[in-house]
Amino acid sequence: EDQVTQSPEALRLQEGESSSLNCSYTVSGLRGLFWYRQDPGKGPEFLFTLYSAGEEKEKERLKATLTKKESFLHITAPKPEDSATYLCAREGGSQGNLIFGKGTKLSVKP
Amino acid sequence: GAGVSQSPRYKVAKRGQDVALRCDPISGHVSLFWYQQALGQGPEFLTYFQNEAQLDKSGLPSDRFFAERPEGSVSTLKIQRTQQEDSAVYLCASSLGQEAVPLHFGNGTRLTVT
Repeated sequence: EDQVTQSPEALRLQEGESSSLNCSYTVSGLRGLFWYRQDPGKGPEFLFTLYSAGEEKEKERLKATLTKKESFLHITAPKPEDSATYLCAREGGSQGNLIFGKGTKLSVKP
Repeated sequence: GAGVSQSPRYKVAKRGQDVALRCDPISGHVSLFWYQQALGQGPEFLTYFQNEAQLDKSGLPSDRFFAERPEGSVSTLKIQRTQQEDSAVYLCASSLGQEAVPLHFGNGTRLTVT
């Protein structure tokens, strides 16, 4: 069965301590890999879309990269306001049918 | 408003009651989606509309779940004879064109069935 697996489940960082979140997927012919941020009590907020291996996208302290089997979300010098759950998803059988991982809950302490 | 709006924000229903959840997508967005998110899980796809046409309802968990978008704008997700396992956050998302991504999500309706 096609899956999206995220690791770690939870990550605690000190402010300024850079790290990476992992998203692995098991499907051939990836049509799109998506990263979302979700704050408690809110809906997911779109961050990035990646379509092909080697592609990279950046936004402030976040950089997303894609290989043939996994994607990484790199967080450089994080701040407490980066604390959230980060969700990874790939496009499934039909348009907009995104298959999400369970997310990585990131906590950044000052 | 600028974003996807969902109401009510919270809903408590007794087992067996019917509920209706409303979604106002971003103005002009063609595509609309419903997702279900259980506690500690990622969202799971329920159904997809393009304008008023329901093009994919493969994720609806049972025939107690019904969604409509009669005029191609506001959508309603109805759950009949609610069960405890229906407790979850129901998220609505919309996208501008027929190209469904990226999705813009609302803040969801938290349904608790007692």
